[in-house]
Amino acid sequence: AQSVAQPEDQVNVAEGNPLTVKCTYSVSGNPYLFWYVQYPNRGLQFLLKYITGDNLVKGSYGFEAEFNKSQTSFHLKKPSALVSDSALYFCAVSSGYSSASKIIFGSGTRLSIRP
Amino acid sequence: KAGVTQTPRYLIKTRGQQVTLSCSPISGHRSVSWYQQTPGQGLQFLFEYFSETQRNKGNFPGRFSGRQFSNSRSEMNVSTLELGDSALYLCASSSGLGSDYGYTFGSGTRLTVV
Repeated sequence: AQSVAQPEDQVNVAEGNPLTVKCTYSVSGNPYLFWYVQYPNRGLQFLLKYITGDNLVKGSYGFEAEFNKSQTSFHLKKPSALVSDSALYFCAVSSGYSSASKIIFGSGTRLSIRP
Repeated sequence: KAGVTQTPRYLIKTRGQQVTLSCSPISGHRSVSWYQQTPGQGLQFLFEYFSETQRNKGNFPGRFSGRQFSNSRSEMNVSTLELGDSALYLCASSSGLGSDYGYTFGSGTRLTVV
């Protein structure tokens, strides 16, 4: 069975510092990996995805994620955090080309950026 | 272009009542999926519709139902509401079936059952 884990419920970072939000996964077959962000009282916004190709994926708002097959990880990163990055971040995975029913979302990591 | 629109944004209902939530996808998108988000369970898949047909259904009781219209708009109905149905209900649209298309989510409908 496929699964995704976000080991940190909360990540606190000072503005201007680099940030990392961790995600590990378990799937059979080739993983499709996604990051979404959710602001208060809003739906999820797509940040980036990895399907194939370059292991470093660049997405919206200056975020990037690195696919590491050997460590089965897909950590979200940003070189310099902004206060406006404070939100709830979800990692998601599916086993290859799948329908919405097969996409598994992580439990979410709350990112807090202090001025 | 307009995003995914969910109405209403907030609802308060009493146990035993029923409720209908609406989702208008991005123009041209034919796939609509529904999710329930709660603090304890996270995001759980409810249904997926494509071209007016339910393609997949999650592990929810029969009180949860949905449909999709010819213009791709979708509705979700919950009958005999229970306190545990209180949640944020999210709708997502996609231009096709398949996770590689990516999904655009609406802002959700927050349902409170009292």
